[in-house]
Amino acid sequence: GESVGLHLPTLSVQEGDNSIINCAYSNSASDYFIWYKQESGKGPQFIIDIRSNMDKRQGQRVTVLLNKTVKHLSLQIAATQPGDSAVYFCADYSGNTPLVFGKGTRLSVIA
Amino acid sequence: DTGVSQNPRHKITKRGQNVTFRCDPISEHNRLYWYRQTLGQGPEFLTYFQNEAQLEKSRLLSDRFSAERPKGSFSTLEIQRTEQGDSAMYLCASSFAFNQPQHFGDGTRLSIL
Repeated sequence: GESVGLHLPTLSVQEGDNSIINCAYSNSASDYFIWYKQESGKGPQFIIDIRSNMDKRQGQRVTVLLNKTVKHLSLQIAATQPGDSAVYFCADYSGNTPLVFGKGTRLSVIA
Repeated sequence: DTGVSQNPRHKITKRGQNVTFRCDPISEHNRLYWYRQTLGQGPEFLTYFQNEAQLEKSRLLSDRFSAERPKGSFSTLEIQRTEQGDSAMYLCASSFAFNQPQHFGDGTRLSIL
């Protein structure tokens, strides 16, 4: 399958600011997308998902936006906190293919 | 709330030895996945099971790797004749069904001396 990639490898934000993490995918057949957060020494933790029939989904302090026209996915974190510091991965499914992860974006929150 | 459990958390072994890792998925999940993750990379798919059937294997899964899920509950991943390149974090995930979120364990970190 085709890979999911990320625009920025690192992102530094001030505590209390909003964070936006971007992801580009290449497979136009992808129909399900997931954002994961991974802290050092731990496994990826599910944050939020979105299916291709939606363009926006909100969770607690997080919003995922999907733009199928340009094959772009973003994760917005409101009022970023020190506990949000981690590596964030987007991943996608297409049909019955395995989940494909990008390299990840490291988010650093400056107190 | 019992999530995905993996044992051991760390394994250090000499090159050429065999190692086995265990994964206990979330109890109602019938899909179980194995991934490998190296430093600075995202997880890479190795194989997955639906119940006890192994349905797909990645090209990354050489003949030295074998995975089982004998009763459709826990799974084991064995690596025979370990090599330096096998050093990585081995992650297990489970999901209720296809196209549902996969929930990950905290992995087994393998170091080959």
